Amino acid sequence: GESVGLHLPTLSVQEGDNSIINCAYSNSASDYFIWYKQESGKGPQFIIDIRSNMDKRQGQRVTVLLNKTVKHLSLQIAATQPGDSAVYFCAERLNSGYSTLTFGKGTMLLVSP
Amino acid sequence: DGGITQSPKYLFRKEGQNVTLSCEQNLNHDAMYWYRQDPGQGLRLIYYSQIVNDFQKGDIAEGYSVSREKKESFPLTVTSAQKNPTAFYLCASSIGLEDEQFFGPGTRLTVL
Repeated sequence: GESVGLHLPTLSVQEGDNSIINCAYSNSASDYFIWYKQESGKGPQFIIDIRSNMDKRQGQRVTVLLNKTVKHLSLQIAATQPGDSAVYFCAERLNSGYSTLTFGKGTMLLVSP
Repeated sequence: DGGITQSPKYLFRKEGQNVTLSCEQNLNHDAMYWYRQDPGQGLRLIYYSQIVNDFQKGDIAEGYSVSREKKESFPLTVTSAQKNPTAFYLCASSIGLEDEQFFGPGTRLTVL
């Protein structure tokens, strides 16, 4: 919602720069990871996902990198635009037959024209 | 927001009253979920449903109840037992429990 960005880590970039948003996940048994984008007052939108058998996956202007050794996930956004300004969440899912998603707290990305 | 609708967008209630939040999807998804979002925190799972007439507690189910009588609908009731109900509530659905979740636009509940 409107206040979801309060108290979140914030990344400020200039339009046209590349942005890197980081996420440390909690469980080495997680096998599936997702990045979501949430604009103010709206529900989260799926950006890209990656499974644990991959290190890198690319989408349109976005790349997700997975480092299982240090349990780290990153989202790279190329040529950042003002419309990219939002809160970005990572989510993980345990490899335990069935498990729900566990969401990180999010990072606010602010893009200046 | 895809084919998931939540109503109302803003909801106010007096302390001690129960209130029901609506979630409807026309995506023919079997699984549905309710999350709570507070400022500076990630989404926390309240309840989820894998299929019609079945639902399971999430991480913070106390003070909440749900029903899943129809595939398309998964209403959430915030009861008077929920001690801190003011929050942004998000509903989601997916084809199955291991598939990508699609989110609705959310309902902001404020207890006066």
